[in-house]
Amino acid sequence: QKEVEQDPGPLSVPEGAIVSLNCTYSNSAFQYFMWYRQYSRKGPELLMYTYSSGNKEDGRFTAQVDKSSKYISLFIRDSQPSDSATYLCAMSGDPRWVRFGAGTRLTVKP
Amino acid sequence: DGGITQSPKYLFRKEGQNVTLSCEQNLNHDAMYWYRQDPGQGLRLIYYSQIVNDFQKGDIAEGYSVSREKKESFPLTVTSAQKNPTAFYLCASTGGGEKLFFGSGTQLSVL
Repeated sequence: QKEVEQDPGPLSVPEGAIVSLNCTYSNSAFQYFMWYRQYSRKGPELLMYTYSSGNKEDGRFTAQVDKSSKYISLFIRDSQPSDSATYLCAMSGDPRWVRFGAGTRLTVKP
Repeated sequence: DGGITQSPKYLFRKEGQNVTLSCEQNLNHDAMYWYRQDPGQGLRLIYYSQIVNDFQKGDIAEGYSVSREKKESFPLTVTSAQKNPTAFYLCASTGGGEKLFFGSGTQLSVL
């Protein structure tokens, strides 16, 4: 079993839709949870960062962490074509070892 | 602007050849990392360095080597011992903590 599981998609939605992306994990030592956005053939950029359980909101993006279920989510409201990218979940219990999901490819159609 | 610069953007390797990927940062970060990205797989850690002149193996270090002679620079050499080197290579750094800042990547292919 992989430490971090993420559905690779692809996921295609119409503009304006609410997008839900999620990951599950097996290592209960993970305390730090992140979402990165990666455009094609570019480096990932940090989108959301959460410590431990709870919700965090930043504009159209909301990150949720449920440590009891070992489940994290990223919601995108009012999705835009510019949100089309691959979204990587990442998590860590030690800064030296960040574990990544495989990434979900999202396309938002105008 | 502060950031991480990776070069070249594309690199081709002949069989039996060693190639070196460059990574330079001007963020004044202590820790630097090399990741490998294959289609459908998460990023996998090759090597990391937390201070100058010190580095540690990650999950898939075999066939790779690194050096850290300067705080700003962390080059990665893909040796001939790496039999499946075709991948997208990403360099990252942190100022302490889990928030990784990435370069724009190098695509390595085998001729």
